[in-house]
Amino acid sequence: DGGITQSPKYLFRKEGQNVTLSCEQNLNHDAMYWYRQDPGQGLRLIYYSQIVNDFQKGDIAEGYSVSREKKESFPLTVTSAQKNPTAFYLCASTIQGGNTEAFFGQGTRLTVV
Amino acid sequence: AQSVSQHNHHVILSEAASLELGCNYSYGGTVNLFWYVQYPGQHLQLLLKYFSGDPLVKGIKGFEAEFIKSKFSFNLRKPSVQWSDTAEYFCAVMGFGNEKLTFGTGTRLTIIP
Repeated sequence: DGGITQSPKYLFRKEGQNVTLSCEQNLNHDAMYWYRQDPGQGLRLIYYSQIVNDFQKGDIAEGYSVSREKKESFPLTVTSAQKNPTAFYLCASTIQGGNTEAFFGQGTRLTVV
Repeated sequence: AQSVSQHNHHVILSEAASLELGCNYSYGGTVNLFWYVQYPGQHLQLLLKYFSGDPLVKGIKGFEAEFIKSKFSFNLRKPSVQWSDTAEYFCAVMGFGNEKLTFGTGTRLTIIP
């Protein structure tokens, strides 16, 4: 089955540690996205990538980094510089330039203690 | 800058009442517009989308939305809600050609049986 896989579902880290969230898709989609979902704030865009080896900052990129070495993969690193990293993170993908909707993964809930 | 405003943060209705959720966007060109729904504990899923053509679009579960270009609006409607419509609803915009997908803050809908 085609889809987007985010792992792990739950993640705990100590304050001051970097942590990488995985996002893999087998939909052959060009564009991939990372969002952060907090109660009352909706989905806020962190980074997005339209093609391999290229990505753009979203609205809340500070304290995060990404890479796009393969079309299928778009990992997100939450660095120690992110002041409030505890949140629910969602990955999505879509066909570039096409009139189609985004498909979402199940999300990763990150808790930093 | 591209943005989405959802004016209603929490809406409470009785079953069989009519629903209208507001969505306004900001973008200087052609847009693709979406409504997504997130039922408790579930993935985001697409309700409906507008790319071009008839500004009145119909989606799943009896929902519809009307694109009014002059008002930069894409309001979601349903003539008679059911208890199972209890969920959070997100409006989203993608500027044509820029691939940046921006969401609103969401509207929590509670249906009272």
